[in-house]
Amino acid sequence: DQQVKQNSPSLSVQEGRISILNCDYTNSMFDYFLWYKKYPAEGPTFLISISSIKDKNEDGRFTVFLNKSAKHLSLHIVPSQPGDSAVYFCAASAAGGKLQFGAGTQVVVTP
Amino acid sequence: GAGVSQSPSNKVTEKGKDVELRCDPISGHTALYWYRQSLGQGLEFLIYFQGNSAPDKSGLPSDRFSAERTGGSVSTLTIQRTQQEDSAVYLCASRFTGAVETQYFGPGTRLLVL
Repeated sequence: DQQVKQNSPSLSVQEGRISILNCDYTNSMFDYFLWYKKYPAEGPTFLISISSIKDKNEDGRFTVFLNKSAKHLSLHIVPSQPGDSAVYFCAASAAGGKLQFGAGTQVVVTP
Repeated sequence: GAGVSQSPSNKVTEKGKDVELRCDPISGHTALYWYRQSLGQGLEFLIYFQGNSAPDKSGLPSDRFSAERTGGSVSTLTIQRTQQEDSAVYLCASRFTGAVETQYFGPGTRLLVL
């Protein structure tokens, strides 16, 4: 039962342009959403999060948007940099419990 | 270091042997989680400790898997009679209980069962 879905397995974007990663969820009990970045052979690194009481959170080049009615969130990275090339995971939790992860999106930033 | 640490970083074992994986959470974090990522798969929840409460074991795939957390800090994940399908990266995360719900991950233990 995949409660968090990332339907795009990969994304290629030119350096300097915007990267938009999408995530959908099915469980209306989720109240906290996170994005993690993962390099090969490393653990996931926390990027940015958003509580269900908000619809936007911004941190530097990273902005997360939450649309509760559509059960959809997105991560915007602007401008994209070569060091952003990694796998990005969307995750969600309810009441501080376990995280449910999406399958990940491989981002490649090209010069 | 102030992050979550895990040991060993890599473990190769023979089918049928027992293994123990260790996690040192961030100091002061009362919640601790174990996940795993099998090859080509997403991250899968295994078990969750929160303070002195009974752990949430709902993600453990079989009774060969167990975990404990001593003194509210270090945790050990034990896999008995390992099978080849147990090969995966085992990740530990910790979280400070409070308004911030972010889980911070360790580097993982790469387990290979031959």
